[in-house]
Order: sequence, then structure tokens, then C-alpha cells
Amino acid sequence: DAGITQSPRHKVTETGTPVTLRCHQTENHRYMYWYRQDPGHGLRLIHYSYGVKDTDKGEVSDGYSVSRSKTEDFLLTLESATSSQTSVYFCAILAGVYTGELFFGEGSRLTVL
Amino acid sequence: QKEVEQDPGPLSVPEGAIVSLNCTYSNSAFQYFMWYRQYSRKGPELLMYTYSSGNKEDGRFTAQVDKSSKYISLFIRDSQPSDSATYLCAMTFTGGGNKLTFGTGTQLKVEL
Repeated sequence: DAGITQSPRHKVTETGTPVTLRCHQTENHRYMYWYRQDPGHGLRLIHYSYGVKDTDKGEVSDGYSVSRSKTEDFLLTLESATSSQTSVYFCAILAGVYTGELFFGEGSRLTVL
Repeated sequence: QKEVEQDPGPLSVPEGAIVSLNCTYSNSAFQYFMWYRQYSRKGPELLMYTYSSGNKEDGRFTAQVDKSSKYISLFIRDSQPSDSATYLCAMTFTGGGNKLTFGTGTQLKVEL
């Protein structure tokens, strides 16, 4: 199994503060993804990366930025957190290049007060 | 209208029942279809994967794809309390930018 570590796993912050979530993988996968999961909306793609310094937007990218300076790390930043960004955030890697299968991390639960 | 529709449930069944979970979709380009299982406070894990139309069986689980109706199903036979989870369908296509489109998930509870 691909090793994916998300940190922090839980965070409570206040509106307007910056937040960075980290995703670390151990198996050199090229594609990495950030999703958010909310009741009634399921999993929605925020940003994804197809290589070092190569990133692109997903369907709900407003208010988020990402960086990937090393193959193993994919960072998601909320420059100024809002209550609407309270969610569970999942990192994923592309496990099946030809099939689109994703392998997910355990999630980071973010609460913005 | 969402590209992938899935009844959110919750669905409650007795142990041993046959469970049917379904998704409909609107994009006829979808070729690869997946079912993920997600336990509470955990990340989704791939349960079943099928390509194009047809059936695929794995133990107590059977995935069906009917591309003509744009309809996919997951059947669970002899359901167990350990099957209690949220089940998400997901799909993509070649040239889809390696991005999956997910249903919202169906919450299943199998009761003793």
C-alpha cells in the first residue's frame, strides 16, 4: 500500500488565520490530489499536482493554494481561513495510472471558528 | 444537476440481507467505474473497480455497469455489521485528466 501521511489530523483555528495542511507520500507517485468532503456534497477536488511544481485547479479551488516542491510533499494552504472552509480534507495519490484509481490518506479535520 | 447522482440514504438492513447500492451518471464518456468504502472518520478505500459495461464479482460483492442506461450498482450479499459504512461511487474516462468524479455516498448500516 502507498504510504500517505496527512498532518495535522485535527485543527481548530479562527477566521482569518492562515492554515497549511501537509500530505506526505513515501512511494514516489507523480499525481497527488487534495479533496474536501462535506455532507451532501461528497468528495470535491480542490487542487491536484502532476509533478514537482506542476499543479492545477479542481472544482472548488477558490480560497486555496497548493505547492509541491518535492515529489513526496503536497501542501494545501488556506491563506485566510473562513467558516465555509470547515471540512474534512483528504489527500490522495494516483495508484492506477490507466484506471484513475486513487488511494486516500486518513484525512485532516479542520474547524474554522 | 450533478454529473453523478447517488442516493445518500441512510440505508438500514438486517444482517444477512442483500444490499443494492446505485449511482446514475450523465456523462457518456465515463469508462472506468469504482466503488469506495469509507468507514467513519477514515479515508475512502477502493472496494471494486470495473471497466466499461458488465459485471465483476469479488467475494460477497458484485459490481454492475450498464452504460446504455448510465447506471451502476454494487450488490452486497450476506451483509455483515462490518459492512456498515458509506459507499461512494466514482468514475472517470481516458483523457479525463486523471480526475475522478464522485457520487455523494450512501450511508449503510447493517444491524444485528
